[in-house]
Amino acid sequence: EVQLVESGGGLVQPGRSLRLSCTASGFTFGDYAMSWVRQAPGKGLEWVGFIRSKAYGGTTEYAASVKGRFTISRDDSKSIAYLQMNSLKTEDTAVYYCLTGFDYWGQGTLVTVSS
Amino acid sequence: SYELTQPPSVSVSPGQTARITCSGDALPKKYAYWYQQKSGQAPVLVIYEDSKRPSGIPERFSGSSSGTMATLTISGAQVEDEADYYCYSTDSSGNWVFGGGTKLTVL
Repeated sequence: EVQLVESGGGLVQPGRSLRLSCTASGFTFGDYAMSWVRQAPGKGLEWVGFIRSKAYGGTTEYAASVKGRFTISRDDSKSIAYLQMNSLKTEDTAVYYCLTGFDYWGQGTLVTVSS
Repeated sequence: SYELTQPPSVSVSPGQTARITCSGDALPKKYAYWYQQKSGQAPVLVIYEDSKRPSGIPERFSGSSSGTMATLTISGAQVEDEADYYCYSTDSSGNWVFGGGTKLTVL
């Protein structure tokens, strides 16, 4: 059974950094791209970015709203994807989901950016 | 930046057909995906690659795409289908985007 578990969320001040983790199980992690999607309170879904598998270069793509501040990486030996978030803004407050393919999502982790 | 446009809300009576549209300039060349999200839950994929239904999704859910518009159809909508629905697709530069979401009311 495919499982994705996000962790690392919490309350952080504007301008600070936070790293989220997505621990995967139930599939060959290294063979798949991993994506991050967020949802601000009461708002719609927003694509954050993704990292390709090593077979496709392990390259990344980001939404314009986070480009230059967020970095996605992966550790295939541990089956973990990361979302490093720097220079956080209040508008980054959201539930952050990781997903693989289109059909497997984690339950999300809440990030609150507030002073 | 690329946008997908959905109606904010759709309302039908139980047993009626609900249609939710999603318009985007790249849809003639790119697949649309559809997600259902119920309150407090993670999204669930209900349609992929315009018209394919994942296992476990009821047959009343179907999808189609023509030109710049993709459509999610729920034939014989049920009360339990009340949820927010999002289309999802990509532009030609590797960026992905969600539509703004459509709140489906069945009552």
